Amino acid sequence: EAAVTQSPRSKVAVTGGKVTLSCHQTNNHDYMYWYRQDTGHGLRLIHYSYVADSTEKGDIPDGYKASRPSQENFSLILELASLSQTAVYFCASSDDWVYEQYFGPGTRLTVL
Amino acid sequence: GDQVKQSPSALSLQEGTNSALRCNFSIATTTVQWFLQNPRGSLMNLFYLVPGTKENGRLKSTFNSKESYSTLHIRDAQLEDSGTYFCAGENTGGADRLTFGKGTQLIIQP
Repeated sequence: EAAVTQSPRSKVAVTGGKVTLSCHQTNNHDYMYWYRQDTGHGLRLIHYSYVADSTEKGDIPDGYKASRPSQENFSLILELASLSQTAVYFCASSDDWVYEQYFGPGTRLTVL
Repeated sequence: GDQVKQSPSALSLQEGTNSALRCNFSIATTTVQWFLQNPRGSLMNLFYLVPGTKENGRLKSTFNSKESYSTLHIRDAQLEDSGTYFCAGENTGGADRLTFGKGTQLIIQP
């Protein structure tokens, strides 16, 4: 059973629209992360959280918000989607900060 | 410049052969993780390393913090080893983050 799941697995959004990506983990991990991956590149950290009801900015937070309503769930919100936000988004969890990270299957987002 | 440089960027191997992938860090790095992204896009954690060596089956990884590099050795390559290998370093300079390299695309030929 996958310990980190993401929904949707793919999405097409219109420029200016609102997009919410969801992540659920059953690892009982405190830390959760959102990354984006662009073609031919590694992952870059957008937001992370170490406890429910608290989120922190990563390296590239502009244009994104995050929400951690419970230990298991972590959402990434694009209030006004833009073309430059077309990418694959990965959620991950870990037991401690930066410790072994376990990734979800990814969400392919296309903004038109 | 890139804080985490991976080499080579792409590699094609015959099944059954051995290879080594390398990751060089330009800033102080305390831990390293190696991941495999398979052709379907899923990311799998291979190793979490403090300075030293770990081995798991046909894979072996070393992290040398003094010389700022890490290697991933693949022995007796199999078709299912194909994919993109990423290393990521936990950097102590500035924000304590995982910084990813751009990956090595590995193709195993039958």
